[in-house]
Amino acid sequence: EIVLTQSPGTVSLSPGERATLSCRTSQSVSSTYLAWYQQKPGQAPRLLIYGASSRATGIPDRFSGSGSGTDFTLTISRLEPEDFAVYYCQLYGSSPGYTFGQGTKLEI
Amino acid sequence: QVQLVQSGTEVKKPGSSVKVSCKTSGGTFSSNAFSWVRQAPGQGLEWMGVILPPFATPHYAQNFQGRVTITADGSTSTVYMELSSLKSADTAVYYCARDIVRLDVWGQGTTVIVSS
Repeated sequence: EIVLTQSPGTVSLSPGERATLSCRTSQSVSSTYLAWYQQKPGQAPRLLIYGASSRATGIPDRFSGSGSGTDFTLTISRLEPEDFAVYYCQLYGSSPGYTFGQGTKLEI
Repeated sequence: QVQLVQSGTEVKKPGSSVKVSCKTSGGTFSSNAFSWVRQAPGQGLEWMGVILPPFATPHYAQNFQGRVTITADGSTSTVYMELSSLKSADTAVYYCARDIVRLDVWGQGTTVIVSS
């Protein structure tokens, strides 16, 4: 089973700053199946990025994804107040099924 | 535009079962797959299983094999998730989501509380 490890666990930044969130997989994976989600308190997760680098519908261009192999990154270029949330990476695997990272909390 | 609306909060006794519904609208029900994901209080996301078109074939995560049943009713465009032998550790918010090799549309979540 492939394990997804996100880092850092919590990151403290200010509006206007740049955020870089990491997701590392325990073995090399296809970037086609790597996605990122944002979750705010009391809300369902929202798809941000799929295929490692494609923005989902309606997602602002300050969100970008990159990476390949075992190392993937979600970058938020200029933080807005509404971006403070928990972010999860996710891998679609065989069988079928999904594995999630443990999440990164982005706080002010 | 696909929308998913889930049933309301459930309070259950340990050992019982719960069945959560997810009514879909705005898309072609029979051509979509739907996954279920749960989130225990203060915890991360855990995938439970998926139901696949066109024959509504379910696949379950190893952790839930034997306890979870996912079904679909094409006549009402509704997907169901039933979890049996409930334990306090099953207290969580349960989400349905459209599955297109990513989860792009989510229901609002259903809170299930397991307590004696």
